[in-house]
Amino acid sequence: KQEVTQIPAALSVPEGENLVLNCSFTDSAIYNLQWFRQDPGKGLTSLLLIQSSQREQTSGRLNASLDKSSGRSTLYIAASQPGDSATYLCAHPRGGTSYGKLTFGQGTILTVHP
Amino acid sequence: DGGITQSPKYLFRKEGQNVTLSCEQNLNHDAMYWYRQDPGQGLRLIYYSQIVNDFQKGDIAEGYSVSREKKESFPLTVTSAQKNPTAFYLCASSMSESNQPQHFGDGTRLSIL
Repeated sequence: KQEVTQIPAALSVPEGENLVLNCSFTDSAIYNLQWFRQDPGKGLTSLLLIQSSQREQTSGRLNASLDKSSGRSTLYIAASQPGDSATYLCAHPRGGTSYGKLTFGQGTILTVHP
Repeated sequence: DGGITQSPKYLFRKEGQNVTLSCEQNLNHDAMYWYRQDPGQGLRLIYYSQIVNDFQKGDIAEGYSVSREKKESFPLTVTSAQKNPTAFYLCASSMSESNQPQHFGDGTRLSIL
């Protein structure tokens, strides 16, 4: 059974801090991994998709890395702001496919306080 | 703007009633998906469709039904056979091509009266 684990489950940091969210997966044959943000009561917003052939992907203050051999991805958030407070989820397509049905982690709830 | 529209935002179901959740996308995506989100359990796949007039069961399809008569639309019916329907339902879509991101609607929260 493919599993995705996100650690920590919750994180509270002061504004301005750099932080790292972790995502571990058991499927060593993934084609890509997607990071999402979810605000309370809202849908998921896609942040970054990193392909297995890439080591890193960047968007603004966000940087995602992927290491298939170790089964890990990290989402680095630089200079955190209160507006970054949300739940962050990682997910990857199943069964050795490059798109389609996703397996999700349970998310990390991030709180950035002023 | 292109996107995925889910309606209604909130829905209440009476005992023995079937209810239908709407999902419409104007992204010209081939594939569409329905997920259920429960507190502490993450997202679980209910049904998915790769192409019009074709769909497959996901991990938790019992008590649900779908149709895909148009590329833009993928409605989900929660039947009376689904005994624990209270949850947040999310619709998503993607291109059926390698390494294409999945996009999500804003969700429908279903509760029991």
